[in-house]
Amino acid sequence: GAGVSQSPSNKVTEKGKDVELRCDPISGHTALYWYRQSLGQGLEFLIYFQGNSAPDKSGLPSDRFSAERTGGSVSTLTIQRTQQEDSAVYLCASSSSGSMVGELFFGEGSRLTVL
Amino acid sequence: AQSVAQPEDQVNVAEGNPLTVKCTYSVSGNPYLFWYVQYPNRGLQFLLKYITGDNLVKGSYGFEAEFNKSQTSFHLKKPSALVSDSALYFCAVRPVTGGGNKLTFGTGTQLKVEL
Repeated sequence: GAGVSQSPSNKVTEKGKDVELRCDPISGHTALYWYRQSLGQGLEFLIYFQGNSAPDKSGLPSDRFSAERTGGSVSTLTIQRTQQEDSAVYLCASSSSGSMVGELFFGEGSRLTVL
Repeated sequence: AQSVAQPEDQVNVAEGNPLTVKCTYSVSGNPYLFWYVQYPNRGLQFLLKYITGDNLVKGSYGFEAEFNKSQTSFHLKKPSALVSDSALYFCAVRPVTGGGNKLTFGTGTQLKVEL
């Protein structure tokens, strides 16, 4: 597609359940980012993938959070044993190069609500 | 560690008046600086960036930003605001060297332009 695609757009789950959020970046973009947007908290960096390099996981808030990127394209963010504080909008972004300074292209996000 | 401060949660401006959205940053060494805009229920869109060179950067929709190294600021400006400029604006920074490719965002400033 022409832009970054995220699914689902909305997800309501019960506390303790696992969720998977998917990101399909712009074709050819080698860099992929996950951010979390909570009300009044701005954008919180979660994880960054660049090509075949080891991902920068420094922003993952706990070991309940993990992400993978298969074949250098689609990425899945997994949250295990969800908690109410995980409720937020999860934004994915891609960029044409990780080593040059290019702007990030964001998807419209996946809104997660944990009851 | 790098950080961004957007001291105003909300800025109100009358249509036709100039607008300024403030941003200050902290980073080791020289910065790359960015402004993004988020319209309701949409992902973030790139507005402009400062890489090097002229301190006044021009971007999309008539916006511009001025890099001030001594004041570590990168305020967003527009000479004449439009109602359609009403949105959430984010400032972001990453260091030129070190820090990986992680883009650190501020908490956002809600701009409201009224007739």
